[in-house]
Amino acid sequence: LAKTTQPISMDSYEGQEVNITCSHNNIATNDYITWYQQFPSQGPRFIIQGYKTKVTNEVASLFIPADRKSSTLSLPRVSLSDTAVYYCLVGDRSSASKIIFGSGTRLSIRP
Amino acid sequence: DTEVTQTPKHLVMGMTNKKSLKCEQHMGHRAMYWYKQKAKKPPELMFVYSYEKLSINESVPSRFSPECPNSSLLNLHLHALQPEDSALYLCASSHVQENNYGYTFGSGTRLTVV
Repeated sequence: LAKTTQPISMDSYEGQEVNITCSHNNIATNDYITWYQQFPSQGPRFIIQGYKTKVTNEVASLFIPADRKSSTLSLPRVSLSDTAVYYCLVGDRSSASKIIFGSGTRLSIRP
Repeated sequence: DTEVTQTPKHLVMGMTNKKSLKCEQHMGHRAMYWYKQKAKKPPELMFVYSYEKLSINESVPSRFSPECPNSSLLNLHLHALQPEDSALYLCASSHVQENNYGYTFGSGTRLTVV
């Protein structure tokens, strides 16, 4: 299973762009990269998923370099409500499989 | 319906009690999961069901017994738990061959064992 490494915590201010990088050096060919957001006492919420290059949705962008050994979640113009834990996961989506959460990044947004 | 519903939201049980956690989804997902999450830690995978059959058991103690009675329901039966089993128990579901939408998680059951 591909292990992921993320910064333990990050701080930023409202209105800034926040980039959270995840390392996954032993990612397999079939693995996809998925990011989740979790608020206290709630279940994780899917943010974005990608395989290579760039993916963008209404919430975030995901940048994946050609070697796929890392990925960067980009949150544009954050607000206080973006304060949460962000998890990077790597896994094979061809079947219901072992998706293992890494330690996550605790993002704190200040006014 | 795009939600995973977990009941109860909170549960306090004694070490000799038997209780069950319930999870329900109506998104047509055929994979369902149980995770356990301790405070300030990431969720830990416990069980995976695929097409209503147990496909992964992450060496969970037998005092936790999962059950998938149909494609919409997932139960976790609890018996003779220990105080260290107190945690947030999360249910999730997904398509077996996952698409671009990942897993959908419920809000969890906060379990306290006394």
